Amino acid sequence: DVKVTQSSRYLVKRTGEKVFLECVQDMDHENMFWYRQDPGLGLRLIYFSYDVKMKEKGDIPEGYSVSREKKERFSLILESASTNQTSMYLCASSLARGTDTQYFGPGTRLTVL
Amino acid sequence: AQSVTQLGSHVSVSEGALVLLRCNYSSSVPPYLFWYVQYPNQGLQLLLKYTSAATLVKGINGFEAEFKKSETSFHLTKPSAHMSDAAEYFCAVKTGGTYKYIFGTGTRLKVLA
Repeated sequence: DVKVTQSSRYLVKRTGEKVFLECVQDMDHENMFWYRQDPGLGLRLIYFSYDVKMKEKGDIPEGYSVSREKKERFSLILESASTNQTSMYLCASSLARGTDTQYFGPGTRLTVL
Repeated sequence: AQSVTQLGSHVSVSEGALVLLRCNYSSSVPPYLFWYVQYPNQGLQLLLKYTSAATLVKGINGFEAEFKKSETSFHLTKPSAHMSDAAEYFCAVKTGGTYKYIFGTGTRLKVLA
């Protein structure tokens, strides 16, 4: 079974703090994704990566950056957290292009005070 | 551009009744279509996917969906609802030449005893 793990299930941070969310997958997937999930808005793509050190902006990249130094690990960084970044963050991975399924981690619920 | 519309943000059914969750998509090229389920405080789990083989796709937990090109629909059904089906369901679309999955805004299913 594919396993995608996220470093924290719940996280509380202060406005202005730098926040790191870590995601690790164990199935040698090329693609990794970060989404945020908000009620009524579904999943919105923040960034994705199709290879080590490669990344592309998704639909809502503002205020976020990412890092992928190793194939299995994809980090989401909030450079200066703001209250409007309070959300559920979901990481996913998949094999290369085509019909492949995305596999999701359990999510990190981030609250910024 | 691709898009997904899920009609009904909340659906309630009685236990044992038919479940019908609606998904319409827009895509200029043949799409791949997915249904995911999210249980409380968990990540998303694949229910089923359409990849241009059979138009009627069977998934886990007794769910199935039918791809109807003429109606641009991919509705999810289950003949008899169970209490354990209470969750949020997401429809997603992807095309073969892209990395991106486009998600609908989700439908929360409530099963009444």
